[in-house]
Amino acid sequence: QSALTQPASVSGSPGQSITISCTGTSSDVGSYYYVSWYQHHPGKAPKLMIYDVSKRPSRVSDRFSGSKSGNTASLTISGLQAEDEADYYCCSYTTSNIWVFGGGTQLTVL
Amino acid sequence: QVQLVESGGGVVQPGRSLRLSCAASGISFSSYGLHWVRQAPGKGLEWVAGILYDGSNKNHVDSVKGRFTISRDNSKSTLYLEMKSLRAEDTAVYYCAKSPNRGYGYNFDYWGQGTLVTVSS
Repeated sequence: QSALTQPASVSGSPGQSITISCTGTSSDVGSYYYVSWYQHHPGKAPKLMIYDVSKRPSRVSDRFSGSKSGNTASLTISGLQAEDEADYYCCSYTTSNIWVFGGGTQLTVL
Repeated sequence: QVQLVESGGGVVQPGRSLRLSCAASGISFSSYGLHWVRQAPGKGLEWVAGILYDGSNKNHVDSVKGRFTISRDNSKSTLYLEMKSLRAEDTAVYYCAKSPNRGYGYNFDYWGQGTLVTVSS
């Protein structure tokens, strides 16, 4: 099972919106609505930001949203803030009954 | 609040064994599935293994099958990962992660801060 494909890096200025893509296959992203997104500040515990493609835990800001089309999922962050600077990982359940992550995207807030 | 604290990492020679632990607090431990996820240096996250709330079912990624075993002791609110025949490619930070329900959960709603395992001679 190959890793999901994410851009290595994205950047944006405070207040702007950015979107991170996550491309999989018909065996993972394309088969289920079980795509989740995680924010990871190095040295800290990863944090769940989005689950089931577009649902947001109550503790997560509504500036974060998720969507999916076919084999590609996306995470959008609106109103960028300095504290959003982190690594972001997508994850999908697969038809092999395992989970696969993306390679990660480093978000830089300019 | 939910706390997951991993321990047991360290430097180990190739071919040797190591057992990781994850102590949980702030949750009804026996009500949730749990997972191990790892991150090799400079790489992305990789799911390693998962176990149901009562330990009745478990699953492992192919690359560790036959070498790693996930288990839990609900009386001690502790998750384990027994690792044998360790290889250099097992070098990683190992995270404990919680399912949002009694099953595997499809996502990981809380994570620990990880414990580093280095396999080197």
